[in-house]
Amino acid sequence: GAVVSQHPSWVICKSGTSVKIECRSLDFQATTMFWYRQFPKQSLMLMATSNEGSKATYEQGVEKDKFLINHASLTLSTLTVTSAHPEDSSFYICSARSGTAENQPQHFGDGTRLSIL
Amino acid sequence: GENVEQHPSTLSVQEGDSAVIKCTYSDSASNYFPWYKQELGKRPQLIIDIRSNVGEKKDQRIAVTLNKTAKHFSLHITETQPEDSAVYFCAAGIAGGSYIPTFGRGTSLIVHP
Repeated sequence: GAVVSQHPSWVICKSGTSVKIECRSLDFQATTMFWYRQFPKQSLMLMATSNEGSKATYEQGVEKDKFLINHASLTLSTLTVTSAHPEDSSFYICSARSGTAENQPQHFGDGTRLSIL
Repeated sequence: GENVEQHPSTLSVQEGDSAVIKCTYSDSASNYFPWYKQELGKRPQLIIDIRSNVGEKKDQRIAVTLNKTAKHFSLHITETQPEDSAVYFCAAGIAGGSYIPTFGRGTSLIVHP
């Protein structure tokens, strides 16, 4: 089955540090990748959608300069949280899909737990 | 945009009982409705989906029903087992073009042995 690898799984760092999270599709070409943020006991909040080779489309309220997304290849997308602060602490999870149609399922990564001290 | 409401937020049942989770959506143009199961500390996984041209779909102990007129859809789990304990998310979206689902807030299902 389709596998999405997300790395790292857990990050603890000091306030002001920039953190990069990688999302890789291991056995399929991910035309579209999604980045979500999930707070404890809450739903998946879409942050941005990225199509390979294009600029990411950010959801309302998500700062594009704060959360830099790069989708340079069909198998890799990265999310960089720049100058992270404690309020950025959260669970970040990516998903990848080949194609744009709804019958192409989203395959989720295992998520990254980000803790900013 | 689409707005998806999901209830209940927590559901506790005894093993063997049935569990029902309900979602409503706001955009009548939405026509694809997937359900995801997220076990503690793990990734969400698609368990079943339904399209707007179908009223019901079954897969073993899991079924989903859709009422387009009322704009609500439900997940039914029969003969629940402890391994069904997880957070379940519904989603809704418009097929065609780039499909981007809107997720419900999730339901934490606890199945007591």
